[in-house]
Amino acid sequence: AQSVAQPEDQVNVAEGNPLTVKCTYSVSGNPYLFWYVQYPNRGLQFLLKYITGDNLVKGSYGFEAEFNKSQTSFHLKKPSALVSDSALYFCAGGSGNTPLVFGKGTRLSVIA
Amino acid sequence: DSGVTQTPKHLITATGQRVTLRCSPRSGDLSVYWYQQSLDQGLQFLIQYYNGEERAKGNILERFSAQQFPDLHSELNLSSLELGDSALYFCASSARDGNYYEQYFGPGTRLTVT
Repeated sequence: AQSVAQPEDQVNVAEGNPLTVKCTYSVSGNPYLFWYVQYPNRGLQFLLKYITGDNLVKGSYGFEAEFNKSQTSFHLKKPSALVSDSALYFCAGGSGNTPLVFGKGTRLSVIA
Repeated sequence: DSGVTQTPKHLITATGQRVTLRCSPRSGDLSVYWYQQSLDQGLQFLIQYYNGEERAKGNILERFSAQQFPDLHSELNLSSLELGDSALYFCASSARDGNYYEQYFGPGTRLTVT
């Protein structure tokens, strides 16, 4: 069965510091990987995706993610965190025609 | 604003009742997905429709059903409701059929079963 894991329920980072939100996947075949962000009382918003090609993917709001096939990881990164980045982040993955599987989410808290 | 609309925003009902949740996808999107988000289960895929036809099924209970209409809006019907059905229900849409297309999520319907 396909799965996506986000090993950290909560990540705390100081404003201006780099942030990393971790994601690992177990997907058969070539994976499709996504990051979504959810703000309070809102639906999920698409941030970025990896389908094929360059392992470093750039997305919205200065976020980027690196696809690492050997480590089966797709960590989300940002060089300098903002307080407004505080939200719930979801990693999702799939392959072929199987529906996407979402991780449990990581709550990011950026402290001023 | 994602362009996906969901009604109602909130729904409070009693056990054993039946409710219908409605979703209008982004203009031009042919695929509609339904998800259930609860604190203990995270985001669970329920079902997908593409251009009126069911394309994929996830962990959807037999008490739940969905359909997509010719105008592409979709409805999720939940019947014989139980306390455990209380959750946020999201609808998402994407341009085409295929999991490599990003999905755009609506604001959700919060269902409370008492």
